[in-house]
Amino acid sequence: TQLLEQSPQFLSIQEGENLTVYCNSSSVFSSLQWYRQEPGEGPVLLVTVVTGGEVKKLKRLTFQFGDARKDSSLHITAAQPGDTGLYLCAGGRYGNKLVFGAGTILRVKS
Amino acid sequence: KAGVTQTPRYLIKTRGQQVTLSCSPISGHRSVSWYQQTPGQGLQFLFEYFSETQRNKGNFPGRFSGRQFSNSRSEMNVSTLELGDSALYLCASSPRGSTGQEHYEQYFGPGTRLTVT
Repeated sequence: TQLLEQSPQFLSIQEGENLTVYCNSSSVFSSLQWYRQEPGEGPVLLVTVVTGGEVKKLKRLTFQFGDARKDSSLHITAAQPGDTGLYLCAGGRYGNKLVFGAGTILRVKS
Repeated sequence: KAGVTQTPRYLIKTRGQQVTLSCSPISGHRSVSWYQQTPGQGLQFLFEYFSETQRNKGNFPGRFSGRQFSNSRSEMNVSTLELGDSALYLCASSPRGSTGQEHYEQYFGPGTRLTVT
């Protein structure tokens, strides 16, 4: 059973378009993290959100943690080919292992 | 700071053999976790070690084992390899402390690509 559901699974868009990736769960998490993974490499941590309703921005990327700390979203503005990769969300609970979503494969075409 | 390093990067083994993978965490990180990544199952947690003790364990058979040394370096071993063990094995270190209450941010290595034939 996948505790974290990510959607969409695949996304292919043109350079300059905006997109949103969603990460949903019926469980409450103490923190929610987003990672990006490129082929042949390990995931790289992008951000950690810990407070319900929290919004964090990283250049063109905006991350939000749901008020109830059960869901999160990643919004990319004006996507670029360099944004291409696998985006993973991961939920953390104190003292326990991280739970990863299945990931969203993003392809940005120039 | 140097990142997480994993050796070897690529490995080809035959069914029934065993394999040992190595991981050196970021300096100062005492928590090391191992994950298996496959296209079908995604990223699956294997186990976490902290100060040479296994702190968390995923749902993998006993053929998968690990250990951590006093310098925080870690190894994982898979015995009696099966075709289904072909995967990218990722090691991640974390600044997570002894209480386990800190947020569990993972810093991943590049992985070891294991192919079982």
